[in-house]
Amino acid sequence: DAKTTQPPSMDCAEGRAANLPCNHSTISGNEYVYWYRQIHSQGPQYIIHGLKNNETNEMASLIITEDRKSSTLILPHATLRDTAVYYCIVRGDNYGQNFVFGPGTRLSVLP
Amino acid sequence: KAGVTQTPRYLIKTRGQQVTLSCSPISGHRSVSWYQQTPGQGLQFLFEYFSETQRNKGNFPGRFSGRQFSNSRSEMNVSTLELGDSALYLCASRASPGQLNYGYTFGSGTRLTVV
Repeated sequence: DAKTTQPPSMDCAEGRAANLPCNHSTISGNEYVYWYRQIHSQGPQYIIHGLKNNETNEMASLIITEDRKSSTLILPHATLRDTAVYYCIVRGDNYGQNFVFGPGTRLSVLP
Repeated sequence: KAGVTQTPRYLIKTRGQQVTLSCSPISGHRSVSWYQQTPGQGLQFLFEYFSETQRNKGNFPGRFSGRQFSNSRSEMNVSTLELGDSALYLCASRASPGQLNYGYTFGSGTRLTVV
């Protein structure tokens, strides 16, 4: 079973920030938080990952709470092309653990 | 550099047949994983290979098998196809631990339809 809980769907106005929450209350100390997204019928696309510090790249920012039990993915200026299913995954880094995808959050960016 | 390449993109097979799907990972990536995606079950892990050895396996029947070659290319095989095997099959590769990005890079998938 997935170790994360995400809202099933969210809407966001084009040009506004999209804030996608994820709960991972059972995360252990060596597990990273990963975010992927999947645009219809394509393979999932890596967005960002982090351990305990906030992270930012050209696509998004990842804010992880101090207790690491939840995180938020922020798309600063959402566009129509950001409409996708967003998956939050927690995983340690060894070959004994695979990525377990939950149902994710379906983000709809509205014009 | 080139991404993860999966062939074929689309495939139609008849119930009872067998099928082989191919995946070429990103150059330098030694780990290949396979996932099945269906509308009802979402993305489900099939297996992971590293250095030609299966390292992890999901909860799928023995009809689903795979292998990895010395050049890290991987194939998965499904025998005695059932209608429920219709799905998008995704391959993902990643670099070895110790490198900065531990995440997977996914291919575009093979869409298998069983009729």
